[in-house]
Amino acid sequence: DTEVTQTPKHLVMGMTNKKSLKCEQHMGHRAMYWYKQKAKKPPELMFVYSYEKLSINESVPSRFSPECPNSSLLNLHLHALQPEDSALYLCASSPWGGASSSDTQYFGPGTRLTVL
Amino acid sequence: AQSVAQPEDQVNVAEGNPLTVKCTYSVSGNPYLFWYVQYPNRGLQFLLKYITGDNLVKGSYGFEAEFNKSQTSFHLKKPSALVSDSALYFCAVREQGGADGLTFGKGTHLIIQP
Repeated sequence: DTEVTQTPKHLVMGMTNKKSLKCEQHMGHRAMYWYKQKAKKPPELMFVYSYEKLSINESVPSRFSPECPNSSLLNLHLHALQPEDSALYLCASSPWGGASSSDTQYFGPGTRLTVL
Repeated sequence: AQSVAQPEDQVNVAEGNPLTVKCTYSVSGNPYLFWYVQYPNRGLQFLLKYITGDNLVKGSYGFEAEFNKSQTSFHLKKPSALVSDSALYFCAVREQGGADGLTFGKGTHLIIQP
């Protein structure tokens, strides 16, 4: 089973709202990732959680904050977003992650976020 | 820094004909290379990857890719295209020993005409 689930599928929020995106995998994978994909663009890495350590793409603004409650869950907390943050947010997982890993990343279906 | 180039925004192929989607990469060291496919409003589905060894990699749905180190290329191929292959294809790279996470090319729309 190579399934990564993401909820909700769609989310519309105002700029003053606080919301969370949820990602879950039951494959026993030890690494999880958040990517942002704008329309007609490739996915861009936002965060990596592997070996119980969080790595952040320095270009990601602080209004996005990841949380890893356990090894199968990775949340993305959203606060005071801007309209330009509207995008498809993709979660992925891989068996091990890390610098020497050739793991395949398996992607969820994504959450389509619209910020008004 | 690592990067991927997909020189074609769109590739049009008649059903039953062979298809090629081009990808070139740039890394400081040795690469791990991946191909993913994305259908409208969906996540990415893994097709195949190159780690080391045989330069011809076979993957899902009849796709294959050839790693060429001298040309820094990893083109995706299929001998006989199906209409259902129409989708957006992404090539991705990460450097062996480098930072975790994938760097993607801009994507190529593959259109298979009946």
